[in-house]
Amino acid sequence: EVQLVESGGGLVQPGGSLRLSCAASGFTFSSYWMTWVRQAPGKGLVWVANIKEDGNAEYYVDSVRGRFTISRDNANNSLFLQMNYLGVDDTAVYYCATVGAATGPDYWGQGTPVTVSS
Amino acid sequence: DIQMTQSPSTLSASVGDRVTITCRASQTISGWLAWYQHKPGKAPKLLIYKTSSLQSGVPSRFSGTGSGTEFSLTIGCLQPDDFATYYCHQYSSYSLFTFGPGTKVEI
Repeated sequence: EVQLVESGGGLVQPGGSLRLSCAASGFTFSSYWMTWVRQAPGKGLVWVANIKEDGNAEYYVDSVRGRFTISRDNANNSLFLQMNYLGVDDTAVYYCATVGAATGPDYWGQGTPVTVSS
Repeated sequence: DIQMTQSPSTLSASVGDRVTITCRASQTISGWLAWYQHKPGKAPKLLIYKTSSLQSGVPSRFSGTGSGTEFSLTIGCLQPDDFATYYCHQYSSYSLFTFGPGTKVEI
């Protein structure tokens, strides 16, 4: 059974940093692109970043490029999102998901909440 | 950038109704269009991928159609569990994914 478990969310002050993790199991992690998607309170889903199977390609939505870094550790079946220079607009629940070649994001974690506030 | 729009933003319906949600892309996406159901506090659930393919385990009352830049999701016979927010999503390139703004289906 595919399982994705996010962690690392919490309360951080504006301008601060946070590192999210996503522990994967139940599938061959190194064979899949992975993605982060977020949902701000009362808002819709927003794609944040993608990373290639081998970690050699990364893509970001404009609003986080230069501040966020997606990475992965295929040896330990883990996905990460390093978030720097956080602003109040980054407050959201952050989800990790697998990206099937035909399906797009298919398996999702339950999300980890991030609150940016002073 | 590819922009996605959905209509309506809110849909009021009753159990047993047939409902259709429309999604439009700002440019052709070669059918790389998915639909998700999302409930508060839960993970989004993939319903339809590649415009019209039903994800494993999803009831057959859900169906998708479309081409070019116009797509739709139909729920054939609305069930109590179907009241949720629905999002379309284009994934035509790994360099840029985009979600639609969502359609809330309410009683």
